[in-house]
Amino acid sequence: AQRVTQPEKLLSVFKGAPVELKCNYSYSGSPELFWYVQYSRQRLQLLLRHISRESIKGFTADLNKGETSFHLKKPFAQEEDSAMYYCALLTGTASKLTFGTGTRLQVTL
Amino acid sequence: SQTIHQWPATLVQPVGSPLSLECTVEGTSNPNLYWYRQAAGRGLQLLFYSVGIGQISSEVPQNLSASRPQDRQFILSSKKLLLSDSGFYLCAWSVLGQGFYEQYFGPGTRLTVT
Repeated sequence: AQRVTQPEKLLSVFKGAPVELKCNYSYSGSPELFWYVQYSRQRLQLLLRHISRESIKGFTADLNKGETSFHLKKPFAQEEDSAMYYCALLTGTASKLTFGTGTRLQVTL
Repeated sequence: SQTIHQWPATLVQPVGSPLSLECTVEGTSNPNLYWYRQAAGRGLQLLFYSVGIGQISSEVPQNLSASRPQDRQFILSSKKLLLSDSGFYLCAWSVLGQGFYEQYFGPGTRLTVT
């Protein structure tokens, strides 16, 4: 069965420090992975997906099939990056998403 | 533009009472619809999804049921609530766009069963 693991519940970094939010997955098919973000008092929204290979708000994520990982990275954290981040795996029919348990990123001065 | 609505925003219900949460989508046709529950420390768990009117698939055995009486309406129900049904319920929709299905989430309903 598919599974998404985010080992850290909370990640606290200083402003300007690098950020890496970890995500590992287990899936027998060809994985399609996403990062979703929920800022305070806002709706859950898509941040980026691995297929597009794009950088959004300075964040990037590379799919590593050998390590079954899709870690989210940003070289210099900003205060506005503080949010809850969820890694998600697209599975099966109807475009279902399997989410990890989420990591709260806290960026402090 | 597309919009998704959920109500109520918050709900406090006693154990054993019925439940009805409603989700409606505007500005799109024939979307896939989803109900998730977000419980503390457990992330988002997919409860139900629907690919069309009257078509409901359940992901996990539970005390809840879902219905889709209209194309853009998705309802989450229970005949008798349990304490374990407390949580934050999110509705989402998706359609194929730009080559993939992006899911768009509603504002959620916080349910407390007492």
